[in-house]
Amino acid sequence: DGGITQSPKYLFRKEGQNVTLSCEQNLNHDAMYWYRQDPGQGLRLIYYSQIVNDFQKGDIAEGYSVSREKKESFPLTVTSAQKNPTAFYLCASSNRAGRLLEKLFFGSGTQLSVL
Amino acid sequence: KNEVEQSPQNLTAQEGEFITINCSYSVGISALHWLQQHPGGGIVSLFMLSSGKKKHGRLIATINIQEKHSSLHITASHPRDSAVYICAVRETSGSRLTFGEGTQLTVNP
Repeated sequence: DGGITQSPKYLFRKEGQNVTLSCEQNLNHDAMYWYRQDPGQGLRLIYYSQIVNDFQKGDIAEGYSVSREKKESFPLTVTSAQKNPTAFYLCASSNRAGRLLEKLFFGSGTQLSVL
Repeated sequence: KNEVEQSPQNLTAQEGEFITINCSYSVGISALHWLQQHPGGGIVSLFMLSSGKKKHGRLIATINIQEKHSSLHITASHPRDSAVYICAVRETSGSRLTFGEGTQLTVNP
């Protein structure tokens, strides 16, 4: 079945540690996105990528980094510079970024907590 | 003030009731999405609208561009409809989506 796979489901970070969240899609989608979800708030865009080897900062990119070396993979690293990393992280993809009625497909999310 | 506001924030209904969730936005948009987030966190796209009305099974979504308002209706609600429903808009000025905070729906048997 085609879809988006995020791993792990739950992740714990120690102070000063970098952690990487995995996102893989087999939908052959060009665009991939990372969102952060906090209680009582709407999803906020961290980074997005429209094609391989290219990505742009979203609204809350500070303390995060990404790479897009392969079309199907868009890992997110939460660095030690992110002082409030506890949140639910969602990866999404679409056939082409910015197209008028592109449908978004989401992964099942990763809950990151700080020890 | 958020650019996308949903109401109500929480909604509890009895099985079989007709449900309406509202979304108002303050910016010019090219499209509006309704999403469903189940316990456990995964999100599913329900509708994409740029005008008018769409129907899928027991779900109906409408949008009034002039009034900057959209509604999601669920007919004959069922406990399996219990989820968070999220409205998101794509502004005409850019390619990004702006999300509402979501409406938590609980349907009791």
